Amino acid sequence: AQSVTQPDIHITVSEGASLELRCNYSYGATPYLFWYVQSPGQGLQLLLKYFSGDTLVQGIKGFEAEFKRSQSSFNLRKPSVHWSDAAEYFCAVGPNNNDMRFGAGTRLTVKP
Amino acid sequence: EAGVAQSPRYKIIEKRQSVAFWCNPISGHATLYWYQQILGQGPKLLIQFQNNGVVDDSQLPKDRFSAERLKGVDSTLKIQPAKLEDSAVYLCASSLAQGRYEQYFGPGTRLTVT
Repeated sequence: AQSVTQPDIHITVSEGASLELRCNYSYGATPYLFWYVQSPGQGLQLLLKYFSGDTLVQGIKGFEAEFKRSQSSFNLRKPSVHWSDAAEYFCAVGPNNNDMRFGAGTRLTVKP
Repeated sequence: EAGVAQSPRYKIIEKRQSVAFWCNPISGHATLYWYQQILGQGPKLLIQFQNNGVVDDSQLPKDRFSAERLKGVDSTLKIQPAKLEDSAVYLCASSLAQGRYEQYFGPGTRLTVT
């Protein structure tokens, strides 16, 4: 069965600092992997996705993620965080774009 | 391009009452999804439509939840009767088709059952 673990419920970083959000997955085959962001009162927005090919994926808003098959991980990174990045971040895994399983999310707080 | 529209945005009901949520997907999107997001959890897929047909409803509690997409465009999700544990945000999403097409999410309906 497919599952996603986001070990960090809440992370606080200072504005301008680097960010890494962790995501570990369990899946029997090569998965489709996604990162979504959810701002308060809004729906989810896709940041980036991995299907195949280059394991370092670039997304919107300056985010990137790296697929590491040996570690079953798909961590999200950003070199310099902006106050507007404060939100909830969800990692998801699935056999395709339709049948995704989401992690519980990581809430990001950005300190001035 | 207009996004996914949902209404109402907020709803408070008492347990055992019924409630309905409405979703209008992005124009031309054939695939429509309903998710339940309980506080502190990620979204869980309840049902997926392809046009007006159900593709996957394996996680829909069919004894109390129902959904339809009669004309293959907008959709309604109903809960009857509601339980306290149904308190959640109900998200609607749509995509151009099944497969590698991105899902676009609406703002959600926050349901509180008292």
